[in-house]
Amino acid sequence: QVQLQESGPGLVKPSETLSLTCTVSGGSISSYYWSWIRQTPGKGLEWIGYVDYTGSAKYNPSLRSRVTMSIDTSKNQFSLRVHSVTAADTAMYYCTSSPPGAYGVGYWGQGALVTVSS
Amino acid sequence: QTVVTQEPSFSVSPGGTVTLTCGLSSGSVSTSYYPNWFQQTPGQAPRTLIYNTDTRSSGVPDRFSGSILGNKAALTITGAQADDDSHYYCLLHMGAGIWVFGGGTKLTVL
Repeated sequence: QVQLQESGPGLVKPSETLSLTCTVSGGSISSYYWSWIRQTPGKGLEWIGYVDYTGSAKYNPSLRSRVTMSIDTSKNQFSLRVHSVTAADTAMYYCTSSPPGAYGVGYWGQGALVTVSS
Repeated sequence: QTVVTQEPSFSVSPGGTVTLTCGLSSGSVSTSYYPNWFQQTPGQAPRTLIYNTDTRSSGVPDRFSGSILGNKAALTITGAQADDDSHYYCLLHMGAGIWVFGGGTKLTVL
């Protein structure tokens, strides 16, 4: 079973770049789609985007201008960068994978809380 | 922009059956939207229940089932238990690789 673990700074200053990495174990990084999802405190879930093993990515239109996703198959990792962050980007960030042989979300990381504050 | 709609809240008695729905502000949900359903309890990461409309994720009890009912995706819980008291979210594929979550339903079991 695929296991995912987010890592990265828990505090980012306004206008700077939020960077998170997800390390994958228990499955081939070439076999799934890899997504990032976030949840602001007390609110619902927001799909940020996904990247596949080729590095091809799709982003939420509302975030497209500020988001970059990448993948490093040699390290079994994929990454998220959100540029020019504001307090509205404070959230729990989850890395996820697609279900085996299907679309959507199958497996979740435990989440990484990122706070944007000076 | 099309919004994914869910009931804000629902309640069910222990042992009862409840159906939560996931619709669109404009149009109908079909299997082409690959509906996914997730359960989230406070302080925990979401857990995948259903993907591809009706496929249960590994380890999910068969009292959770997914379907298309009319013009919406549906999650039915048969024989509700106390630990089903959670938030439930749906996720739809809107085309061109773009996915959108519904606002979530708070299910109370009492």
